[in-house]
Amino acid sequence: SYVLTQPPSVSVAPGKTARITCGGNNIGSKGVHWYQQKPGQAPVLVIYYNSDRPSGIPERFSGSNSGNTATLTITRVEAGDEADYHCQVWDISSGGFGGGTKLTVL
Amino acid sequence: QVQLQESGPGLVKPSETLSLTCTVSGGSISTTDYYWSWIRQHPGKGLEWIGYIYFSGSTYYNPSLKSRVTLLVDTSRNQFSLKLTSVTGADTAVYYCARGSSYRGEVDFWGQGTLVTVSS
Repeated sequence: SYVLTQPPSVSVAPGKTARITCGGNNIGSKGVHWYQQKPGQAPVLVIYYNSDRPSGIPERFSGSNSGNTATLTITRVEAGDEADYHCQVWDISSGGFGGGTKLTVL
Repeated sequence: QVQLQESGPGLVKPSETLSLTCTVSGGSISTTDYYWSWIRQHPGKGLEWIGYIYFSGSTYYNPSLKSRVTLLVDTSRNQFSLKLTSVTGADTAVYYCARGSSYRGEVDFWGQGTLVTVSS
């Protein structure tokens, strides 16, 4: 199965930019989706197909994907962005999630 | 607005079968546009695909669980279900049902999740 690797944690000060990575073999050839999950809640889609934003998601959230790394970028980080973030890839016969990254806002 | 709701026992004994149902409202399960999925999360851990099913009945199972998992879809009730046999404490987790896009694969709607504990 396809392995996705995320850093366990990322810390950032309010107002700064957070970057969360998702590594995989030639992940740049795949569509990557990102989810935000707050404690006790179901995940929420924040980026789909590498860089598209669902309606209602702030423009501060963006994504990119190239080579062996996909990246979720959150600019002007707010306290409310503190959460776990999960990357996901999918094709018609398989699917997988990364291990998740805890974003801490200092 | 599509909504998904998991239902089933919150406590299952070791070696028995875990059975959960997901009821879909606000949209039809009978569409090629989406797949219907079960995803679980062990306490304090990441998300794990269990598998997904299309309304036609075609399925994908996580290879690590494949021998114990069955997914079924009931279009007449707009429901899909999960059966996981021979459970152990390692199957204690929050179980989510969810809807995913058949085209790009993103999961756009999730159930609230249900905690299933395996214990005697």
